[in-house]
Amino acid sequence: AAGVIQSPRHLIKEKRETATLKCYPIPRHDTVYWYQQGPGQDPQFLISFYEKMQSDKGSIPDRFSAQQFSDYHSELNMSSLELGDSALYFCASSLSYGNEQFFGPGTRLTVL
Amino acid sequence: SQQGEEDPQALSIQEGENATMNCSYKTSINNLQWYRQNSGRGLVHLILIRSNEREKHSGRLRVTLDTSKKSSSLLITASRAADTASYFCATGGMDSSYKLIFGSGTRLLVRP
Repeated sequence: AAGVIQSPRHLIKEKRETATLKCYPIPRHDTVYWYQQGPGQDPQFLISFYEKMQSDKGSIPDRFSAQQFSDYHSELNMSSLELGDSALYFCASSLSYGNEQFFGPGTRLTVL
Repeated sequence: SQQGEEDPQALSIQEGENATMNCSYKTSINNLQWYRQNSGRGLVHLILIRSNEREKHSGRLRVTLDTSKKSSSLLITASRAADTASYFCATGGMDSSYKLIFGSGTRLLVRP
């Protein structure tokens, strides 16, 4: 069965650089969520989209933005990267609300 | 953790034994989902239990939910070395996006 696809899997950036993370949800899933997991931490919700509209926003810095495109894939744009942004970034998708959220393999971002 | 605690934080058992992990949460929920995560890797969806359900089974997994006590438990029967991982509960709330709020996780070690 098709799963959530994230790219790239690993990313190394310097401070103050920008990064773009991509997420391709499971086919027919219309809801996408982004989570951040720091080392030894539990995942924290960043932002979500339903039918290409932002549906909720969590602890996402103003330096970050995201969108969901017409084909339902989503991109998380991160600017002015800081050392503290080093983390695993997960995308999850679900079929509408209140159903199972299936996670992608994550993008490991390292900021040097 | 934003939502609550998982208990125990770490659990070490012998292969073949049962493992029980508990999760407490703070707010009203729509559903509760359990995930497994191998060290630094993706989150694998195990089971979803809705707020109007009390017990659910999937293979060697049994999940209970007590909304009056705001708690859930995950039982893994006849554990295997391959079950070694961190286990997270995550609650889907009643808000606009049903985003997941994660507990702090239980690290399970199954000794062969």
